[in-house]
Amino acid sequence: GENVEQHPSTLSVQEGDSAVIKCTYSDSASNYFPWYKQELGKRPQLIIDIRSNVGEKKDQRIAVTLNKTAKHFSLHITETQPEDSAVYFCAASWNTNAGKSTFGDGTTLTVKP
Amino acid sequence: DVKVTQSSRYLVKRTGEKVFLECVQDMDHENMFWYRQDPGLGLRLIYFSYDVKMKEKGDIPEGYSVSREKKERFSLILESASTNQTSMYLCATRQYNQPQHFGDGTRLSIL
Repeated sequence: GENVEQHPSTLSVQEGDSAVIKCTYSDSASNYFPWYKQELGKRPQLIIDIRSNVGEKKDQRIAVTLNKTAKHFSLHITETQPEDSAVYFCAASWNTNAGKSTFGDGTTLTVKP
Repeated sequence: DVKVTQSSRYLVKRTGEKVFLECVQDMDHENMFWYRQDPGLGLRLIYFSYDVKMKEKGDIPEGYSVSREKKERFSLILESASTNQTSMYLCATRQYNQPQHFGDGTRLSIL
């Protein structure tokens, strides 16, 4: 089955700096790669996603890049703010697997004011 | 807006009890999932369902079962609760190859 590895497990940055979280996946059939943000005590929520026919997607301060050949994708957050502090999960899935996604173990991002 | 409702935010049960966790969605999504979340271990899939009365084992199904009698409701059952099942349980739904939508979670303590 699919295996997703996420690095780093913890990340601490100064407010205003950039943060990058990386994920690798094993199944070349995977074609959908969402990123979720989970604030303390809250549910995971989608922040951005990318499909395999696109190499990069941007939404204001966040962007995701996908390298299908190397089977890795990354989340980039620029101009970080304290409210970006949360746990971030990457995931990979493909159409025919009954909707199942495989998640990375999560990255705890701390933005210091 | 998508709504996934879990029946309890906090639940305390005793070892050996049969425990039911309920999840209801209002989006008519085909796929529903149960995860448990423990510190440092991410989201681990217990069971999922892609249709009424259909279920598939996830990565950690031991000690759990599920029921999906109606499309909108997916129940997680701990047949005989044990202390190592103390955890946060998250329900999620999904339609085809779209993002998952999560409930608020149930923090379950087994004493």
